[in-house]
Amino acid sequence: AQRVTQPEKLLSVFKGAPVELKCNYSYSGSPELFWYVQYSRQRLQLLLRHISRESIKGFTADLNKGETSFHLKKPFAQEEDSAMYYCALRYNNNDMRFGAGTRLTVKP
Amino acid sequence: NAGVTQTPKFQVLKTGQSMTLQCAQDMNHEYMSWYRQDPGMGLRLIHYSVGAGITDQGEVPNGYNVSRSTTEDFPLRLLSAAPSQTSVYFCASSSQGWGTEAFFGQGTRLTVV
Repeated sequence: AQRVTQPEKLLSVFKGAPVELKCNYSYSGSPELFWYVQYSRQRLQLLLRHISRESIKGFTADLNKGETSFHLKKPFAQEEDSAMYYCALRYNNNDMRFGAGTRLTVKP
Repeated sequence: NAGVTQTPKFQVLKTGQSMTLQCAQDMNHEYMSWYRQDPGMGLRLIHYSVGAGITDQGEVPNGYNVSRSTTEDFPLRLLSAAPSQTSVYFCASSSQGWGTEAFFGQGTRLTVV
């Protein structure tokens, strides 16, 4: 079955510390993975997608097919990074499968 | 620039009541979808539409109906609310499904007592 697992419901780090939000997936085809973010009182929005190989707001994510992972990383966390983060797998053009989410808190 | 608008933001229903969650977008998007978000389970697809007059079921469609009479609107109907439908509901739209960037509404928090 197609599944996205985010093992950490909550993650707390201090400002300036590195942060890694974990995501593992199971999918029989060629995966297309995304990270979505929801800041407090804002809408869910796309943060980055693996095919773009881009860095957004200092975040990067590398698709590791061998480990079936797509972890989100940032070397120096900022307070404004505090948010809910969702890893998502594009199952088909009409269906995106989301993980349960990780709430990141960056403490001053 | 409204984007995707969901109404209401909050709703409390009694078991057995019916109601419609509204979703409207002003971006002329063909694809619209409804997700529900439950603790520990992430967002799950309820129904989606690829254009006016075309709808299909997602992962968890039972207990919900949809229709798409216009490009702009994609209402979600609960015919007989059950406590298991207590959730946060999100509407999303995009120009061509998840192959293009999707935009989300702010969500509707529904409680069924």
